[in-house]
Amino acid sequence: AQSVTQLDSHVSVSEGTPVLLRCNYSSSYSPSLFWYVQHPNKGLQLLLKYTSAATLVKGINGFEAEFKKSETSFHLTKPSAHMSDAAEYFCVVSDEHQGGKLIFGQGTELSVKP
Amino acid sequence: ETGVTQTPRHLVMGMTNKKSLKCEQHLGHNAMYWYKQSAKKPLELMFVYSLEERVENNSVPSRFSPECPNSSHLFLHLHTLQPEDSALYLCASSQDFASGASYNEQFFGPGTRLTVL
Repeated sequence: AQSVTQLDSHVSVSEGTPVLLRCNYSSSYSPSLFWYVQHPNKGLQLLLKYTSAATLVKGINGFEAEFKKSETSFHLTKPSAHMSDAAEYFCVVSDEHQGGKLIFGQGTELSVKP
Repeated sequence: ETGVTQTPRHLVMGMTNKKSLKCEQHLGHNAMYWYKQSAKKPLELMFVYSLEERVENNSVPSRFSPECPNSSHLFLHLHTLQPEDSALYLCASSQDFASGASYNEQFFGPGTRLTVL
């Protein structure tokens, strides 16, 4: 069975400093991996996706993630945090053997200090 | 806007009430989903509909009853809920829900914040 673990429940950074949100996955197959963001009182929005093409994936708002099969990781990074990045971030794996069913991590809350 | 709308945005109900949540997608998708998001827990998939047919029911209590009259609309009928059912209920849609598909981007609505007293 596929699963995903987000290693930090909460991350706090200062504005202008780098962001690192960590995610490890477990999969018997070649997974599809995603990062979603949820701002307060909003639905989830897709940030970026990995679907077995380039291992470095660029998303919206300056975020990117690198798929590392040897480490079973898919960490999300951004070079310089902005106040508007404060939100909940979810790492997600797609269970391709169940019709693309999404399996969500527990989420990481990102705080950005001025 | 994501193209998926949900009403109401907030709902407070007593344990004996009957209410319904509504979801509408304007994206021409064939699959729709209900998720439950509780504090400090991963999103839980509740139901999946593909071409108006229920294809997944993840051991959800019968006090939650979904309905999909067409590919654009999805309802979640609620009756005799418990306080632990208080959560954010999210609707999502995707182009398809086909067996063997390796990727199926889902578009989410803003959710309905449900409080059961």
